[in-house]
Amino acid sequence: GQNIDQPTEMTATEGAIVQINCTYQTSGFNGLFWYQQHAGEAPTFLSYNVLDGLEEKGRFSSFLSRSKGYSYLLLKELQMKDSASYLCAVRDSWGKLQFGAGTQVVVTP
Amino acid sequence: DGGITQSPKYLFRKEGQNVTLSCEQNLNHDAMYWYRQDPGQGLRLIYYSQIVNDFQKGDIAEGYSVSREKKESFPLTVTSAQKNPTAFYLCASSIWGTVSNQPQHFGDGTRLSIL
Repeated sequence: GQNIDQPTEMTATEGAIVQINCTYQTSGFNGLFWYQQHAGEAPTFLSYNVLDGLEEKGRFSSFLSRSKGYSYLLLKELQMKDSASYLCAVRDSWGKLQFGAGTQVVVTP
Repeated sequence: DGGITQSPKYLFRKEGQNVTLSCEQNLNHDAMYWYRQDPGQGLRLIYYSQIVNDFQKGDIAEGYSVSREKKESFPLTVTSAQKNPTAFYLCASSIWGTVSNQPQHFGDGTRLSIL
């Protein structure tokens, strides 16, 4: 079966760092995507990992360990606008995305 | 500007009524998808299409129907058989395949409610 787990909510202070973990068990693996979604809006693409290791993109970094079925998204120098839901999605053997329920990040002043 | 356009933004359905959600893309993507999002839940795949005139059921296809007569368009009909249609519906498109690093691109969504 398919299972993608993320924490439901995380709270952090402006300027701090937050790490959002994602564990997965899926039918095949062909890459992992992270999306950001503000309430009532479309998800927007943040990062993609297919090989083990860290991908860095400005304030956002994403890490993947395929052997552990584990990824994390690291948000540095948090800003108020980073308050949003962060979705972990795994592309399966057939090319479809399986999404986690999302992690709501709340940034406080 | 390339992108995905969903309409309408808000839609209300009466009991026993079918409603159709529009999705148009000008990204020249072969693949298109429909997802449903409920509060506190992830996106669940309703239908997807890899190519014109072909589509497949996703995880929650019951009570829904689609067509793909043109590459640019992938309308979703929520039929009266869908007993709990209130949700946020998202359309997406992408290059089809398992090796591309190109993500799915999403429209702004349609929020469907029951009157």
